[in-house]
Amino acid sequence: AQSVTQPDIHITVSEGASLELRCNYSYGATPYLFWYVQSPGQGLQLLLKYFSGDTLVQGIKGFEAEFKRSQSSFNLRKPSVHWSDAAEYFCAVEGYSSASKIIFGSGTRLSIRP
Amino acid sequence: DVKVTQSSRYLVKRTGEKVFLECVQDMDHENMFWYRQDPGLGLRLIYFSYDVKMKEKGDIPEGYSVSREKKERFSLILESASTNQTSMYLCASSLQRDAGAFFGQGTRLTVV
Repeated sequence: AQSVTQPDIHITVSEGASLELRCNYSYGATPYLFWYVQSPGQGLQLLLKYFSGDTLVQGIKGFEAEFKRSQSSFNLRKPSVHWSDAAEYFCAVEGYSSASKIIFGSGTRLSIRP
Repeated sequence: DVKVTQSSRYLVKRTGEKVFLECVQDMDHENMFWYRQDPGLGLRLIYFSYDVKMKEKGDIPEGYSVSREKKERFSLILESASTNQTSMYLCASSLQRDAGAFFGQGTRLTVV
């Protein structure tokens, strides 16, 4: 079955510290991979995406993610977090066929310690 | 910029009412989606559509229906609202597989 797992429900990091949010997926083949961010009371915004090529992808707001096929993982990273990064982060996958649906993980809530 | 607009930010409806949630996108996107978001469950797909008048069931279609008469508009219908349909509803659209989806602001529906 297709699924996305984000094992961390809530993470707290200090401002200026590095961040890594984990994402593992189960899919028949390598799907399109995405990370989204949701600020309180808002819709989701696309941070970055991967579908082929270089396995390290850069996104907006200083985020990056690394695709590791052998581990079926697509972890999100940021070298130094800012208080404005406090939000909920969702990993998602989408297949290649025209009628594929986007499947989301359950999300990781990020809190920033001053 | 792509804009996905949901007609209401907050709605309060009574049990048994018929509820319409409207979503409009302004970028000629083929694909449109309706999700509901509940704490600890992430986003669950209710229905999606990849063309006008086409619809596909998502993971939790029970109690819902959809309508897509025009490319830019995708409506979610709760035929007879129930309290377990109290949730945040998110509409999204996308042009193609690798572009990612654009989301509306969400509609927080409370059924009393």
